[in-house]
Amino acid sequence: AQSVTQPDIHITVSEGASLELRCNYSYGATPYLFWYVQSPGQGLQLLLKYFSGDTLVQGIKGFEAEFKRSQSSFNLRKPSVHWSDAAEYFCAVARSGNTGKLIFGQGTTLQVKP
Amino acid sequence: NAGVTQTPKFQVLKTGQSMTLQCAQDMNHEYMSWYRQDPGMGLRLIHYSVGAGITDQGEVPNGYNVSRSTTEDFPLRLLSAAPSQTSVYFCASRGAGDYEQYFGPGTRLTVT
Repeated sequence: AQSVTQPDIHITVSEGASLELRCNYSYGATPYLFWYVQSPGQGLQLLLKYFSGDTLVQGIKGFEAEFKRSQSSFNLRKPSVHWSDAAEYFCAVARSGNTGKLIFGQGTTLQVKP
Repeated sequence: NAGVTQTPKFQVLKTGQSMTLQCAQDMNHEYMSWYRQDPGMGLRLIHYSVGAGITDQGEVPNGYNVSRSTTEDFPLRLLSAAPSQTSVYFCASRGAGDYEQYFGPGTRLTVT
């Protein structure tokens, strides 16, 4: 069965420091991969997505993610974190040919220290 | 475009009451889904629809009903609310051939 694992439930980084949020998926074929961000009390905003092609994907707000098939990973990175990045981040996978069902990871809460 | 809209934003129910969470999209998307979000569990799929008149169960369908009479609307019904249904509910839609889903703002439901 498909699954998505975000190993870090909670991460704290200092403002200006670099960030990497981990995501591992379990799926036989090439998946469609997504990162969403959710600010407190808000809905989900798409940060970036990977369907095919270049394995390094650029997203909004200065985020990027790298698809590594050999490691079944799709880690999210940002070189310099801003206080406004404090939020919950979700990795998700959809199957090709699927009816649109997304499988989400458990989420990683990011806290930013001043 | 309003995108995906959900009403109400907040709702408190007593155990055993029924209600309908409304979801509408104006993007002419074929696919619509309902997810629930619980702490530490991410979002889990409740029901989904691939077009008007066609619905199917997701990962956690028990206690919920759906129907899709139009392309635009996809209401979620709780027939007899239980405290275990206290959650935040998100509706989402996507177009055919596009795997990106667009989410509504959510409905926060509390069942006492």
